[in-house]
Amino acid sequence: DAKTTQPPSMDCAEGRAANLPCNHSTISGNEYVYWYRQIHSQGPQYIIHGLKNNETNEMASLIITEDRKSSTLILPHATLRDTAVYYCISPNAGNMLTFGGGTRLMVKP
Amino acid sequence: GAVVSQHPSRVICKSGTSVKIECRSLDFQATTMFWYRQFPKQSLMLMATSNEGSKATYEQGVEKDKFLINHASLTLSTLTVASAHPEDSSFYICSATRDGNYGYTFGSGTRLTVV
Repeated sequence: DAKTTQPPSMDCAEGRAANLPCNHSTISGNEYVYWYRQIHSQGPQYIIHGLKNNETNEMASLIITEDRKSSTLILPHATLRDTAVYYCISPNAGNMLTFGGGTRLMVKP
Repeated sequence: GAVVSQHPSRVICKSGTSVKIECRSLDFQATTMFWYRQFPKQSLMLMATSNEGSKATYEQGVEKDKFLINHASLTLSTLTVASAHPEDSSFYICSATRDGNYGYTFGSGTRLTVV
C-alpha cells in the first residue's frame, strides 16, 4: 500500500507557483520521499527527492516539514507543459516504489 | 543521468500469442528492476520485483506463469506476456534502481494491445 496521500487534482495559473502537498505521516526516519510526474502515455519522470532537508534543483523545490510527516513540491513558475499527474512516493521494504493516486495538476493559461 | 530504455514502445498482437518487452539500464547497473502495469486513468500498479540472477517476486494477484520475468544481467530485464488475451491490453512500464537511495529511473513504457 502507498504510504502517501495527495489531493486528487489541482489547478494552477500559468506563470504562477504550483504548490503540491503530500502527507506521509507513517514513513520512518531513513525513508526518502520521491516526486515523479507522468505526462499522458509516458513513463514517470523523476523530479526531486529528499530525506530531511529542503531540496532544490532546476525543476522544482521540495519542502519537507521538520517532523517529516508532510512535504510540498513547488514548481516556481508553472507552464502549460507542467500539466501532468504528480506522484509523491516513499519506498517500501525491499526498495519498492508503490504508487498512490497522485495529484492531477492542470496548468491553465 | 540514469537512463532506462524500454522496447518496444507499442505492440499489437493476436490473442494467444506471447509478447516480450525489454528493459535496459543504459549507463548504470541495476540491482533491482520493477515492472508495473497501468490501465487508463489509473495509477501504476506494481506487478513484480526482480533482482539480477534470482527469481522475481510477484505481487498478490499477478500470475507468474503468465507474466514471465527474466533478469539475466545487471542491465537487462524482460517481461514476457504469455498467451496474451485482450484483458492483458495495458501500458507496461519498467523501472530500475542501483540502490534505493540513488533513485529510480523509469522506462518510457510499452502500450500492449491484444486483438
